[in-house]
Amino acid sequence: GENVEQHPSTLSVQEGDSAVIKCTYSDSASNYFPWYKQELGKGPQLIIDIRSNVGEKKDQRIAVTLNKTAKHFSLHITETQPEDSAVYFCAAKSPIKAAGNKLTFGGGTRVLVKP
Amino acid sequence: NAGVTQTPKFQVLKTGQSMTLQCAQDMNHNSMYWYRQDPGMGLRLIYYSASEGTTDKGEVPNGYNVSRLNKREFSLRLESAAPSQTSVYFCASSTVSGANVLTFGAGSRLTVL
Repeated sequence: GENVEQHPSTLSVQEGDSAVIKCTYSDSASNYFPWYKQELGKGPQLIIDIRSNVGEKKDQRIAVTLNKTAKHFSLHITETQPEDSAVYFCAAKSPIKAAGNKLTFGGGTRVLVKP
Repeated sequence: NAGVTQTPKFQVLKTGQSMTLQCAQDMNHNSMYWYRQDPGMGLRLIYYSASEGTTDKGEVPNGYNVSRLNKREFSLRLESAAPSQTSVYFCASSTVSGANVLTFGAGSRLTVL
């Protein structure tokens, strides 16, 4: 089945700097890659996603890139702000996996933006 | 606009006790899910319900049971809690099974002593 690895597990950045989180996946059939943000005491919330037919997608200060050949995708946050402090999860969706919505999540990255 | 509501938010159990986590959504979604979140392991699917009247096992179903009570409600039951079930539990919903976007509840932190 699909396996998603996420690095780093923790990331500390200075306010205004950029943050990059990387994920690799194992199933070449995976075709959808969302990123979820979990703020303290809340459930994860979708912040951006990318499909396998697109190499890059941007939404204001966040962007995702996808390299299908290498089977990895990344989240980029520019000009980080204190409200970006949260846990971020990547996920991959395989059309082949049988269970549920077929999403496999990475282990999560705790991002701390220092003022 | 409540979205997905989970109760309780916190619970402490002794080994062998039973309990039920409740989840309700008001978005008229067809599909509902239960995940557990453990440090470094991300979110793992326990059970899901593709539509009212159906339930299926996810990745880590052992020790759990579920009930899709109606379209709005999906409960998770621990019949005989074990320390390995100490975790944060999230309920989620989506418009249909396989839909890309999940809406999560705020989570229920369970500690089993």
